[in-house]
Amino acid sequence: SAVISQKPSRDICQRGTSLTIQCQVDSQVTMMFWYRQQPGQSLTLIATANQGSEATYESGFVIDKFPISRPNLTFSTLTVSNMSPEDSSIYLCSAWTGSYGYTFGSGTRLTVV
Amino acid sequence: QKEVEQNSGPLSVPEGAIASLNCTYSDRGSQSFFWYRQYSGKSPELIMFIYSNGDKEDGRFTAQLNKASQYVSLLIRDSQPSDSATYLCAGGGFGNEKLTFGTGTRLTIIP
Repeated sequence: SAVISQKPSRDICQRGTSLTIQCQVDSQVTMMFWYRQQPGQSLTLIATANQGSEATYESGFVIDKFPISRPNLTFSTLTVSNMSPEDSSIYLCSAWTGSYGYTFGSGTRLTVV
Repeated sequence: QKEVEQNSGPLSVPEGAIASLNCTYSDRGSQSFFWYRQYSGKSPELIMFIYSNGDKEDGRFTAQLNKASQYVSLLIRDSQPSDSATYLCAGGGFGNEKLTFGTGTRLTIIP
């Protein structure tokens, strides 16, 4: 099955700072998806990232807060900017990997203090 | 607004019994549906996906899709304690299209 490596796995950050999360896929994928999962909740899509174009953000999420890069077909980053305690959550990347469906990275558990 | 609703749970099932997880969706344009299992502190892992009306079986798992009723279900036969997890239903396109996730159902298998 396809593998998506995500890092960091967890971090504790000061409010007002930024954190960049990286995802590396072991094969080329067209689209990558970034989700947020708040404690005890389901997954909420933040944005969809296509190589060579700007990411498409869902309602309630903006590029200034969650800038995304997609420099090639195997890699993407999500930055959580100017963090506040409300940004404490698990962040997950995902990609369509064919017969294995949508595969997820291992997640980044972010705590903002 | 596309919505996916799941039976809220939590659901407790005796070991060896059949666990039934249900999901309804609002978008008739949704083409495929995915069932994920998520253990606490872990990322979701795919159980199976279905895009045709009817049943699809994979080992102890059977997914059922009824597009007329906009209903998807997952049956787990011979439930094991290792099946205790949160089960997420998701609907969307097929390949490279975004998914809409349900709220999840927490399943506990009682030994």
